Order: sequence, then structure tokens, then C-alpha cells
Amino acid sequence: DVKVTQSSRYLVKRTGEKVFLECVQDMDHENMFWYRQDPGLGLRLIYFSYDVKMKEKGDIPEGYSVSREKKERFSLILESASTNQTSMYLCASRGFSSYEQYFGPGTRLTVT
Amino acid sequence: DQQVKQNSPSLSVQEGRISILNCDYTNSMFDYFLWYKKYPAEGPTFLISISSIKDKNEDGRFTVFLNKSAKHLSLHIVPSQPGDSAVYFCAASEGPIQGAQKLVFGQGTRLTINP
Repeated sequence: DVKVTQSSRYLVKRTGEKVFLECVQDMDHENMFWYRQDPGLGLRLIYFSYDVKMKEKGDIPEGYSVSREKKERFSLILESASTNQTSMYLCASRGFSSYEQYFGPGTRLTVT
Repeated sequence: DQQVKQNSPSLSVQEGRISILNCDYTNSMFDYFLWYKKYPAEGPTFLISISSIKDKNEDGRFTVFLNKSAKHLSLHIVPSQPGDSAVYFCAASEGPIQGAQKLVFGQGTRLTINP
């Protein structure tokens, strides 16, 4: 079974703080993704990575950065958290020749 | 611009009846489509998929239909069960599968199955 884990289920941060969200997958997948989920907007892609040290912007990269130093780990960084970044953050991974993405349980981030 | 649209935010169905969830897309380059199911406080889980070369795919109680000319797909659940109550997302694949391929998701439809 593919397992994607995220470092926190719930997180509360203050405006202006630097926030790190960590994601680890155990299936040796090449591709990893960060999404945010907001009511009425579905899942929107923030960044993705198709190889170690490679990254691509998704649809809403502003205010975020990512890091992928090891194949199994993909980090999302909010350089200076703002209240409009309050959301559910979902990490996913997929194998090289598969369309299916496997998701982690999500991190609900609240920025006050 | 929303390339994948689920126009019904919610749907309520009686237990045992058929649930039909709809999804429309605008990009004719999409070549693979997936449905995901999401319970509260959990990540989405893969349900069923269909390639653009097919018009139907079945897996137990779940069937996905694809109408390429109308750029429309639908998910049928028969018979509906209380455990099917969840948010359903449709997704379309963009990009080369062995490269920077990504999924474009719809807004989701909340399905409620009433006993």
C-alpha cells in the first residue's frame, strides 16, 4: 500500500510567520504535488516536482515555495504566512507511468 | 479559467437508487480522466478512471461514461449506499505521462445518501 504522510494534521500560525509543511511518500514515486483545497474551488495545484531538485509552478504558486532534496520528501514553504493562506493543504505522489495520484491525509492550516 | 467543471455543488439521493455525478471539461487535449472520493478530514482516494479512447469503464457499483464530442463525463453509482456519502472530484490529465504530467480537478460535488 502506498503511504503518503504529512507532518501535521492541524496547524495554527500567526501572520508573517514562516511555515513549513512536510510530505513523505514511501513508494519511490518520481512525482510529488502540493494542492490546496478550498470550498467551492476544488483542489488547486500549487507546485509539483517530477524529479529530485526539479520543481514546476502549478496554478497558484504565489506566496509559496517548495523544496525537494530527496526523492521521498517534498516540502511546501510559506515564506510569510497570510490569512488568505488559511486552507487545507494536500500532498500527493504518483509513479512514473501511472496517472493515479495518492494523497496524504491533509494539513488544515489556520493563519491568524 | 476553470478547465474542469462540476456544476452541481451538492446532490442528495435515496439509498438504493442511482447517483449520477457530472463533469464537463473544455480542453480537448485531456486524454485521461479520473474520479476521486473524499471523506472529511481525509485525503482524496482514487475511485475509477477512463482513457479518452474508451467511452465506458465499470468497476463494481461504479461506472464512468465519457462523451468526447460533448466534453462531458459522468460517474454512476448503483445502488447508492450510505457509505458513498462524500465529496467527489473529477480530474483530467494534462501533459506527458512520463514527464511533467499533472491533474486538473473540478470543484467537487458533495453526495449525500439518505437512508
